[in-house]
Amino acid sequence: DAKTTQPTSMDCAEGRAANLPCNHSTISGNEYVYWYRQIHSQGPQYIIHGLKNNETNEMASLIITEDRKSSTLILPHATLRDTAVYYCIVRFRTGNQFYFGTGTSLTVIP
Amino acid sequence: EPEVTQTPSHQVTQMGQEVILRCVPISNHLYFYWYRQILGQKVEFLVSFYNNEISEKSEIFDDQFSVERPDGSNFTLKIRSTKLEDSAMYFCASRGTGASNTGELFFGEGSRLTVL
Repeated sequence: DAKTTQPTSMDCAEGRAANLPCNHSTISGNEYVYWYRQIHSQGPQYIIHGLKNNETNEMASLIITEDRKSSTLILPHATLRDTAVYYCIVRFRTGNQFYFGTGTSLTVIP
Repeated sequence: EPEVTQTPSHQVTQMGQEVILRCVPISNHLYFYWYRQILGQKVEFLVSFYNNEISEKSEIFDDQFSVERPDGSNFTLKIRSTKLEDSAMYFCASRGTGASNTGELFFGEGSRLTVL
């Protein structure tokens, strides 16, 4: 599975959009981009995933660049409850384990 | 919404004792996983399980560890003789199959193991 690079930490003001970048320059054509988050010590929570097209669900939007070498997770209106560590993971759909790196620690500030 | 459930939420044990952590995956899922997270560290893969056998395991998953699906609903992680360094949160996860499945894992809330 391709490696990913994320900033160690970010801050975002409450109510503003949080944009979390991820670089995955070695991604292959059949690998998906998955985003998870971990709030405190809870179990990782699935957020969204995509292959080529931008995706949106009730939690977030995922913007994938045309060359697929990077992506951005967007939380449109961040709340204090969005404070968490966010993981960007690249993997084949039928792949086995997910590799969790160090992720981005997002702090939403009141 | 279906979810992965884990028991116990917290277990304290003495070094050298056996521990069994239990998980009930989402009912129509066929791939099962155990991960662990030592306090302040990354979430680490331990083992994956499919079709009643281990499909992949990490170097952490040594002979002290075993997994089992004893019936149609439970998936267990056994640590045969616990060590201090086994103290961690243990997360169970499951994944579906089929054309509609897009590969995401669903995690339980974890079992905290404290070895004294």
